[in-house]
Amino acid sequence: QLVESGGGVVQPGKSLRLSCAASGFIFDDFAMHWVRQGPGKGLEWVSSISWNSDAETIGYADSVKGRFTISRDNAKNSLFLQMKSLTVEDTALYYCAKDITGGAVGYGAFDLWGQGTLVTVSS
Amino acid sequence: EIVLAQSPATLSLSPGDRATLSCRASQSVDTYLAWYQQKPGQAPRLLIYDVSNRPTGVPARFSGSGSGTDFTLTISRLEPEDFAVYYCQQRYIWFSFGGGTKVEIK
Repeated sequence: QLVESGGGVVQPGKSLRLSCAASGFIFDDFAMHWVRQGPGKGLEWVSSISWNSDAETIGYADSVKGRFTISRDNAKNSLFLQMKSLTVEDTALYYCAKDITGGAVGYGAFDLWGQGTLVTVSS
Repeated sequence: EIVLAQSPATLSLSPGDRATLSCRASQSVDTYLAWYQQKPGQAPRLLIYDVSNRPTGVPARFSGSGSGTDFTLTISRLEPEDFAVYYCQQRYIWFSFGGGTKVEIK
């Protein structure tokens, strides 16, 4: 399973770090992703990281590029999202998700999702 | 950025009906297209990946088809638990999701 944490209420311009604790599968075999969903809105891909954190395989949505940083600690079965310069448009439920594809074969669909952690950016 | 357009926005059907949902991509995504189901207050659930593959545990009434830019999710006979929002997703160039189709009870 995947359990997100770290959400909360934060002022515009501030930073926040989200965490995702994984269990029940071999964490370092799989790529991982962050997806967010604004209030009453659809799904928006945020960021992805390969199993070995290869810099060339890390990706970000244009809306967060340069402000968000994804990382992982395979020894602790954990995924992270460092968010800075937050704006009201970043208000959303943030999900972490596991890639369906194991090993060094690129990205696939998202076959396991957490329940999300809510980030509210408000003054 | 690849934009996915889903139609219709809302589909009003009765249990036992056949549901046909469409997803059109702004450019070819080859066969790198997935479908997710989301119920209120729940995380999304993967239904179909790479156009037509069902993960273990997904009922056979869910099927996918298409290639290139036009894709379809079909639910052969709607069960009460199938009323939800459905999203398509491409992984051809990074990732993007469609805006969703809500399947509601008529």
